[in-house]
Amino acid sequence: DTGVSQDPRHKITKRGQNVTFRCDPISEHNRLYWYRQTLGQGPEFLTYFQNEAQLEKSRLLSDRFSAERPKGSFSTLEIQRTEQGDSAMYLCASSYPGDTEAFFGQGTRLTVV
Amino acid sequence: AQSVTQLGSHVSVSEGALVLLRCNYSSSVPPYLFWYVQYPNQGLQLLLKYTTGATLVKGINGFEAEFKKSETSFHLTKPSAHMSDAAEYFCAVTSPSGGYQKVTFGTGTKLQVIP
Repeated sequence: DTGVSQDPRHKITKRGQNVTFRCDPISEHNRLYWYRQTLGQGPEFLTYFQNEAQLEKSRLLSDRFSAERPKGSFSTLEIQRTEQGDSAMYLCASSYPGDTEAFFGQGTRLTVV
Repeated sequence: AQSVTQLGSHVSVSEGALVLLRCNYSSSVPPYLFWYVQYPNQGLQLLLKYTTGATLVKGINGFEAEFKKSETSFHLTKPSAHMSDAAEYFCAVTSPSGGYQKVTFGTGTKLQVIP
């Protein structure tokens, strides 16, 4: 197992375009989390899944954001009509339920120009 | 409600010197506390965690932290800094029932190691 994998690592997009990121968690982990990290800040929780069910969404997750985990394995995070304020590092993590450790991927850095 | 305050957004130490990164937390319930390290354009790697039990926690790469309830602190230390320790460090807090969806991260401390 190679850990949590995120793709792409970097994405530059024009304002108004849609972008989609992918996260492949550690295979045995049924919890998957998305975080956003802006420059000079710590990660902030966006949403999480247990298997294919999206159990919680932060109020940071506006209507332009949608996340899916259709088969309880990989997950996608889509941002529609991107804005410059969406520029950030998007981090994915996975864990077992109740585990006290989550493993993070290397992140996708989004730049909206 | 919970929060984390990391004192000092930038810390510089000489190679071989003591590393001390400060973290104070606020939590209405007994906390779970974490220290993560992040290298440029990388994800977060767990250094150590405190859940219950021994208040002095040893982690990877020679780091340790001590949970002090009376001071609401969880400072990170390493006796002797190495050049490879240069990175950004994040303290984080959650509760036993909160899980990772309830983790609150601090704003980070960038550690510079001077040769």
